Amino acid sequence: AQSVTQLGSHVSVSEGALVLLRCNYSSSVPPYLFWYVQYPNQGLQLLLKYTSAATLVKGINGFEAEFKKSETSFHLTKPSAHMSDAAEYFCAVSDRQAGTALIFGKGTTLSVSS
Amino acid sequence: DVKVTQSSRYLVKRTGEKVFLECVQDMDHENMFWYRQDPGLGLRLIYFSYDVKMKEKGDIPEGYSVSREKKERFSLILESASTNQTSMYLCASMGSESAEDTQYFGPGTRLTVL
Repeated sequence: AQSVTQLGSHVSVSEGALVLLRCNYSSSVPPYLFWYVQYPNQGLQLLLKYTSAATLVKGINGFEAEFKKSETSFHLTKPSAHMSDAAEYFCAVSDRQAGTALIFGKGTTLSVSS
Repeated sequence: DVKVTQSSRYLVKRTGEKVFLECVQDMDHENMFWYRQDPGLGLRLIYFSYDVKMKEKGDIPEGYSVSREKKERFSLILESASTNQTSMYLCASMGSESAEDTQYFGPGTRLTVL
């Protein structure tokens, strides 16, 4: 079965620092990969997704992620954190052959200090 | 823009009550999903539906049922609420059956069962 591992349930950075949120997947076939963000008391919003068109994917709010097949990873980065980036981030995977359901990681809470 | 609405943001119910959580999407999407979100566990799929009157069990269907009588509406039913069903419930919809398509989420319903 597919699974997603997000390393670090909580990441703290200073404003202006690099943001790195880690995601590894397990799949014998390269899946589709997604990063969602959840701001306090809101639903999930898509940040970006990998669908095999390009390994470096750019998303909203300055975030990007790189698909690395050899490392089965899809880490999320942002060069310079803003206070408004404080939220919970979820990595998710869908299996091309298993239908439409997403499998989510456990989430990483990002805190940004001034 | 896709809009997914959920009938209540906060709900408090008693143990043993029958609870209905309603979800409506306005984009004529075929697929709709119910997830449960718990701290440290991420999102887990309860049920999904790929067409009117069709439903499929997700990873944790026990204690829940669903109804989809109209394309735009997907209801989650707790037949007899229990305290371990206290959680955040998120509804999502998706336009196609392609695994690379984006799921759009509602704002969530935080259910407390006393």
